[in-house]
Amino acid sequence: GENVEQHPSTLSVQEGDSAVIKCTYSDSASNYFPWYKQELGKRPQLIIDIRSNVGEKKDQRIAVTLNKTAKHFSLHITETQPEDSAVYFCAASKGAGNQFYFGTGTSLTVIP
Amino acid sequence: GAVVSQHPSWVICKSGTSVKIECRSLDFQATTMFWYRQFPKQSLMLMATSNEGSKATYEQGVEKDKFLINHASLTLSTLTVTSAHPEDSSFYICSVTGRWGTEAFFGQGTRLTVV
Repeated sequence: GENVEQHPSTLSVQEGDSAVIKCTYSDSASNYFPWYKQELGKRPQLIIDIRSNVGEKKDQRIAVTLNKTAKHFSLHITETQPEDSAVYFCAASKGAGNQFYFGTGTSLTVIP
Repeated sequence: GAVVSQHPSWVICKSGTSVKIECRSLDFQATTMFWYRQFPKQSLMLMATSNEGSKATYEQGVEKDKFLINHASLTLSTLTVTSAHPEDSSFYICSVTGRWGTEAFFGQGTRLTVV
């Protein structure tokens, strides 16, 4: 099955700085790559996603890049704010109706 | 997006008893639902894929006789943890793939504590 690796496991940044989280995947058939934000004890919330036919996607302060050849994708958060502090998970899926395989998570702390 | 409701939100049970967790897709019919388990400060680990009207597909290492999954209707999947032990204590969460087939929508999760 799919193996998704995520780095770093913890990340601390000063408010206003940028944060980057990286993931790699193993199954070349995966074609959908979402990023989720999870606050303690709550359900994961989708923050951005990218499909394999696109190399980059941006939504305000959040962007995701995908390198299909290298099988890696990254989350970029600019101008970080304290409310960005949470655990972030990447995931990979083969698309419609298929299960998601999650990375190990990154605990992001934004220091005011 | 899809609305997914999971019940109960938390449950405490005695060792040896069984616990049933429900996952409902409230606003569309889901032929497939997924069950995950999450230990503190760890990732979501896929346990099984719940298929409406047929047997669930379990991930390697997940005991199907211990984690019984029933998907009897297009809007309801249940996970029963049988003969629960303290090591089964965890956060269990279900998800549904939205009507457009890609984005996953999660239930609010169930915190199970076995004492």
